[in-house]
Amino acid sequence: DAGITQSPRHKVTETGTPVTLRCHQTENHRYMYWYRQDPGHGLRLIHYSYGVKDTDKGEVSDGYSVSRSKTEDFLLTLESATSSQTSVYFCAINPGTTNYGYTFGSGTRLTVV
Amino acid sequence: TQLLEQSPQFLSIQEGENLTVYCNSSSVFSSLQWYRQEPGEGPVLLVTVVTGGEVKKLKRLTFQFGDARKDSSLHITAAQPGDTGLYLCAGARGNEKLTFGTGTRLTIIP
Repeated sequence: DAGITQSPRHKVTETGTPVTLRCHQTENHRYMYWYRQDPGHGLRLIHYSYGVKDTDKGEVSDGYSVSRSKTEDFLLTLESATSSQTSVYFCAINPGTTNYGYTFGSGTRLTVV
Repeated sequence: TQLLEQSPQFLSIQEGENLTVYCNSSSVFSSLQWYRQEPGEGPVLLVTVVTGGEVKKLKRLTFQFGDARKDSSLHITAAQPGDTGLYLCAGARGNEKLTFGTGTRLTIIP
């Protein structure tokens, strides 16, 4: 009954290849976010979206792009994967009021070799 | 620059003991949230506090928001192995994006 799903759950890719991660929600929430989680750094915001085709950069956006053509889908693309992008990536959704908190997906573990 | 500092970074205690973890900032937040994350899963919201001095209880967990809305604490009474996990605080200023702390990794030893 998860309202947010991420795919794939695990991926290994080679340096220099493009990679796309998908986040799908069934909650019809306006806001969607992509975070990466690394030891010692916590959760850092990559990009976020506040509506269809409305996106903005977070604090660690270099090397990443996003797209949101439908309310339910938010895609994160690594243009040319590097080893420094090895991480666990989380998608989160929010209805529009921060006080309600974020609902997170289960994450995608990405390894760039 | 990490706006939210959590301490301790790691905490390992015996089942049945009490513990407190802290979330501190030099910035004022309009609300502060606590999440718990288990291995292989995303963070799950535990509580949101919005008023300075507010105290919320969730069974054996007590959350407090500082009077100046710059800090928060999480107190667990009679810790159980099921409390093991990564605890994250996150602050919001207005309706802006959340800023997360680096987390406290808690291990409860049976």
